[in-house]
Amino acid sequence: SQQGEEDPQALSIQEGENATMNCSYKTSINNLQWYRQNSGRGLVHLILIRSNEREKHSGRLRVTLDTSKKSSSLLITASRAADTASYFCAETSGSRLTFGEGTQLTVNP
Amino acid sequence: DTGVSQNPRHKITKRGQNVTFRCDPISEHNRLYWYRQTLGQGPEFLTYFQNEAQLEKSRLLSDRFSAERPKGSFSTLEIQRTEQGDSAMYLCASSLAGPDTQYFGPGTRLTVL
Repeated sequence: SQQGEEDPQALSIQEGENATMNCSYKTSINNLQWYRQNSGRGLVHLILIRSNEREKHSGRLRVTLDTSKKSSSLLITASRAADTASYFCAETSGSRLTFGEGTQLTVNP
Repeated sequence: DTGVSQNPRHKITKRGQNVTFRCDPISEHNRLYWYRQTLGQGPEFLTYFQNEAQLEKSRLLSDRFSAERPKGSFSTLEIQRTEQGDSAMYLCASSLAGPDTQYFGPGTRLTVL
């Protein structure tokens, strides 16, 4: 069953702007992962942040994790039209990934 | 291409028929996972294997569903007596160990008429 909640459900921005997506989860986690999915395709792994980490960067991506609030955020800086996709957070407790419902990001050129 | 591959990419079947999907993981990965995704939702866990052993199954995996990984390499997911509610994208992923980054295949989209 879905455990995470993502906020907002949909986000529309102009190219060059920053996009922030938030994720909340309910259980204790080993790590939290963010994935991107283009329409009708498989998921692409973006970044993994471990439960003892607070912030992680990868290129234009910045992920934060607050285990006391059971929340994470994904920031995409200087967005591009190619960033248009659905973004999912997934908590890892045990071996399975438990996904949220995702945020649909639209970047307008 | 050394990523996760899945076949077929699309499958259309009539209600009541059996279907089988195949997943080839990244070659050195011990763990293989199956997920199901319906429109507008995130993927939901079905089952996973550590080598050839099936270690966990979700309650979503009814008795019409069976998964195998006979030699610890590729895996098959079979759905017997398909129902319209089985229509979904079936995703396979693999990882070196858990909990670790899972790499997903392109998925098999099943449509049950």
